[in-house]
Amino acid sequence: ETGVTQTPRHLVMGMTNKKSLKCEQHLGHNAMYWYKQSAKKPLELMFVYNFKEQTENNSVPSRFSPECPNSSHLFLHLHTLQPEDSALYLCASSQVGGQGEKLFFGSGTQLSVL
Amino acid sequence: QQQVKQSPQSLIVQKGGISIINCAYENTAFDYFPWYQQFPGKGPALLIAIRPDVSEKKEGRFTISFNKSAKQFSLHIMDSQPGDSATYFCAASNLAGNQFYFGTGTSLTVIP
Repeated sequence: ETGVTQTPRHLVMGMTNKKSLKCEQHLGHNAMYWYKQSAKKPLELMFVYNFKEQTENNSVPSRFSPECPNSSHLFLHLHTLQPEDSALYLCASSQVGGQGEKLFFGSGTQLSVL
Repeated sequence: QQQVKQSPQSLIVQKGGISIINCAYENTAFDYFPWYQQFPGKGPALLIAIRPDVSEKKEGRFTISFNKSAKQFSLHIMDSQPGDSATYFCAASNLAGNQFYFGTGTSLTVIP
């Protein structure tokens, strides 16, 4: 168990649906991340939150909307997605300023957009 | 532009053999180079990492070799086992920030 829990594990949605991915970290970390993992591509950083404040948004389309209500929880709200958005979405956390170099990943949500 | 280039894309090794995965980077500001291991259905997990003040780091059967002048680093898995079959990602970051740049991954299969 990595200490980072993601739900749901699998999600199938139509292009007009609205859904949310949830991430919770039990490690007391102060930074949380969303990554997108597609086959044969590098992990793509989507969003970073430090102390609940968004510090990175790597030109992610507005159909992806993150929310970080506290340092332990992170959401990714999805609406009007495209088939090319099908991928594994990974949440991660780290302790910035401590051993900030260690990213701890959840098991991911496998998303399929029909 | 891809910050970290990784090769090969896939690798098949006999049990007991040596697995070697290579990565190269351009940004000389990077000062931390981790390797992550990912099994099917799981997220990546930190395997071993190195900083540029040393040329080699060894943990059990896993060794990172680092060549600062060539801006290259590699993962060596000695006495490879079927349980090592997984996807391996190299990464690079600047510890002053919290941006990690990952390679494209190498799918390793160790056959008995």
